[in-house]
Amino acid sequence: EDQVTQSPEALRLQEGESSSLNCSYTVSGLRGLFWYRQDPGKGPEFLFTLYSAGEEKEKERLKATLTKKESFLHITAPKPEDSATYLCAVQVEGFNKFYFGSGTKLNVKP
Amino acid sequence: DGGITQSPKYLFRKEGQNVTLSCEQNLNHDAMYWYRQDPGQGLRLIYYSQIVNDFQKGDIAEGYSVSREKKESFPLTVTSAQKNPTAFYLCASSIQRTGNTIYFGEGSWLTVV
Repeated sequence: EDQVTQSPEALRLQEGESSSLNCSYTVSGLRGLFWYRQDPGKGPEFLFTLYSAGEEKEKERLKATLTKKESFLHITAPKPEDSATYLCAVQVEGFNKFYFGSGTKLNVKP
Repeated sequence: DGGITQSPKYLFRKEGQNVTLSCEQNLNHDAMYWYRQDPGQGLRLIYYSQIVNDFQKGDIAEGYSVSREKKESFPLTVTSAQKNPTAFYLCASSIQRTGNTIYFGEGSWLTVV
């Protein structure tokens, strides 16, 4: 059965304390892996798309990487404004089938 | 600005009542989606549409209905048959190709009173 698992469920960091969020997946025919940021009561905001193992993408303090079984979202020297829930999704079987993880809730304390 | 507009932001439903959530996009995307989000759970697909006048059930379609009469619009009706409708509903859209990114609206909160 296709599945996406994110860990940890929640993460508390001090400002400046770097860490990584994990998204592991067991799907056949991966077409793309997506990272989103979601603030409370808002829709998810697109961050990155990764298509193949070994690919990396960066945006400000965030860096996403992809292997054949998992993806990491590395956060370098986080700030309080990075506090949010980070969602991972994978696309399989063509255009419209996406599986979402439950998210990692990140809290960065000043 | 291009984007996806959902309305209303907050909606209250009485027992036995049908309610409709609006979703409009001006991104010229062919595909549109409705997801439901419950606390501590991932997004679950309710319905999706690839073209006008065509749509497919997702994983949790029971108790919901949709229409796609215009490319820009994909309203979701939560019927009285949906026994646990209290949730955060998200509309999304994308272009039609493999590896396409889906973009989300700001969401609508539905509460049963």
